[in-house]
Amino acid sequence: DAGITQSPRHKVTETGTPVTLRCHQTENHRYMYWYRQDPGHGLRLIHYSYGVKDTDKGEVSDGYSVSRSKTEDFLLTLESATSSQTSVYFCAISDSVNYGYTFGSGTRLTVV
Amino acid sequence: QKEVEQDPGPLSVPEGAIVSLNCTYSNSAFQYFMWYRQYSRKGPELLMYTYSSGNKEDGRFTAQVDKSSKYISLFIRDSQPSDSATYLCAMSEGGNYQLIWGAGTKLIIKP
Repeated sequence: DAGITQSPRHKVTETGTPVTLRCHQTENHRYMYWYRQDPGHGLRLIHYSYGVKDTDKGEVSDGYSVSRSKTEDFLLTLESATSSQTSVYFCAISDSVNYGYTFGSGTRLTVV
Repeated sequence: QKEVEQDPGPLSVPEGAIVSLNCTYSNSAFQYFMWYRQYSRKGPELLMYTYSSGNKEDGRFTAQVDKSSKYISLFIRDSQPSDSATYLCAMSEGGNYQLIWGAGTKLIIKP
């Protein structure tokens, strides 16, 4: 996806280990978001950022933390991975919080 | 009850048919309405965006908002197999409020 990349694309990790997912943008957008997508639940917001070092929680933030030390990078950390965190994680960017989100290609995370 | 309801489908129609995808919502303060298309194993991509009420057309796609009924629709004319995807609606009140997402409708266009 133009202007936004996620890494890694796939990851398998063990229960109890910390995991960090990375989102990198080249669009200089103010807002960055982390979502998870699960069957039957659609997209659920984990955390979002409205500027460097400015972050806030979404509806499913328990067990996750984020950091944004540069405009272009937004990191999502699973502090101690659990099987319930097996999901597809999407990063998104936007200039407005209300519309026009651009999504990355996703990270497929499996916790065993 | 979820703020935004969307039938998960799958909705299967023959090629060339007119497709109607819908979302209902409960929050009368929503002002921004969007439709995203998501192909399998890809991220969602913005298809249509409407502010407040009315219709918006872009090629074979028409987005319609009926705020009095709290109902939005996406119409696809002359549907193609390449339109097979999951379609997600999203909406927002504006200001600092986040997008609220529907769960998505899976659409299958049969050749």
